[in-house]
Amino acid sequence: GQQVMQIPQYQHVQEGEDFTTYCNSSTTLSNIQWYKQRPGGHPVFLIQLVKSGEVKKQKRLTFQFGEAKKNSSLHITATQTTDVGTYFCAGPTGGFKTIFGAGTRLFVKA
Amino acid sequence: EAGVAQSPRYKIIEKRQSVAFWCNPISGHATLYWYQQILGQGPKLLIQFQNNGVVDDSQLPKDRFSAERLKGVDSTLKIQPAKLEDSAVYLCASSPRTSGGASTGELFFGEGSRLTVL
Repeated sequence: GQQVMQIPQYQHVQEGEDFTTYCNSSTTLSNIQWYKQRPGGHPVFLIQLVKSGEVKKQKRLTFQFGEAKKNSSLHITATQTTDVGTYFCAGPTGGFKTIFGAGTRLFVKA
Repeated sequence: EAGVAQSPRYKIIEKRQSVAFWCNPISGHATLYWYQQILGQGPKLLIQFQNNGVVDDSQLPKDRFSAERLKGVDSTLKIQPAKLEDSAVYLCASSPRTSGGASTGELFFGEGSRLTVL
């Protein structure tokens, strides 16, 4: 079945350093979504990318959707302690069944 | 706008007992999902409803799990009998319907129900 893989599993950074997480799908996606889950919290929607090669920015966060619509990345510039949490990518299979990756857990040291 | 409501927030039971979780989605959201999230893992889809019909339940362990969404609004997920490996957070999510009838795919999650099976 369709799989959504994320790397790395964990990332430790010093506050102010940049962070990137990568998402790869075994099949072409119609769109890809990114979610953030704070420790002890629930996933919160960040953004959805739909177009091939699309790039979107939210303040210090930059999201990219690959040309083949099978991969995506999330880049955070100058991390802050408030960025701590797990970042998930998610993609829909046929019929809008949304599959989540295993997530990348970000640790930020002040 | 009220968010997705779930209860109970926490539940501790012994193996072989039963448990039920309740979810009330955001008003007007046609699609409702139940996900299981084991500690350190991503959410795993158990069942997806469109109104009161099941869209996908391929990963629902039907010998012990059941879910219903009567009247196309709130939903209940039941586990009977529970096993140790069912210890997880059960997340309910909903998504709005586009003008064309299809879900936008953007999911709004509730706070979750944390189940511990002893």
